Amino acid sequence: GAVVSQHPSRVICKSGTSVKIECRSLDFQATTMFWYRQFPKQSLMLMATSNEGSKATYEQGVEKDKFLINHASLTLSTLTVTSAHPEDSSFYICSAREGVGYGYTFGSGTRLTVV
Amino acid sequence: AQSVTQLDSQVPVFEEAPVELRCNYSSSVSVYLFWYVQYPNQGLQLLLKYLSGSTLVKGINGFEAEFNKSQTSFHLRKPSVHISDTAEYFCAVGRMNTGFQKLVFGTGTRLLVSP
Repeated sequence: GAVVSQHPSRVICKSGTSVKIECRSLDFQATTMFWYRQFPKQSLMLMATSNEGSKATYEQGVEKDKFLINHASLTLSTLTVTSAHPEDSSFYICSAREGVGYGYTFGSGTRLTVV
Repeated sequence: AQSVTQLDSQVPVFEEAPVELRCNYSSSVSVYLFWYVQYPNQGLQLLLKYLSGSTLVKGINGFEAEFNKSQTSFHLRKPSVHISDTAEYFCAVGRMNTGFQKLVFGTGTRLLVSP
């Protein structure tokens, strides 16, 4: 079945630095990728939708300059948390979809801790 | 806009007992429906999905769900649970139309299976 690889699984960074999270579709071409944020014991909050070759669409309240999303190819999307602060600490999950009507495959998530 | 309600935040059950996790949705257009399971510090794994056709959908790990359009429900069931089924379960809906079909998630139900 479809597999999405997300890397790294855990990252600890200092406040003020930037962190890049990668999301790769391993055996299919993902026309659309989604980035979610999950707080402890809460549901997933959609941050943005990215389509290959175009700018990401951010959800209301998500700072596009802070959470940079790049979807340069059909198999790779990246989320960069710029100038990270402790409040950015969270679990970030990506999801990929091959096309309209296809299912959604999720990555294994990245636990970001900003100290 | 779509919304998903999972009324039960936590469902305790004994091993080998049956379980039902409730999901109700609201949408002005036709939707796809999904159930995902999340184990600690991991991404989401698809249990089953309803796209069209038979309203009774069978998924992995012995789970099944029934789409009830009149009641706008998509409850998840398993006739006999195992300790290993302890996890967080999320119901989600996606709009059945073209475009960027982002998923809307419920708040999740924690299934706690005890011996």
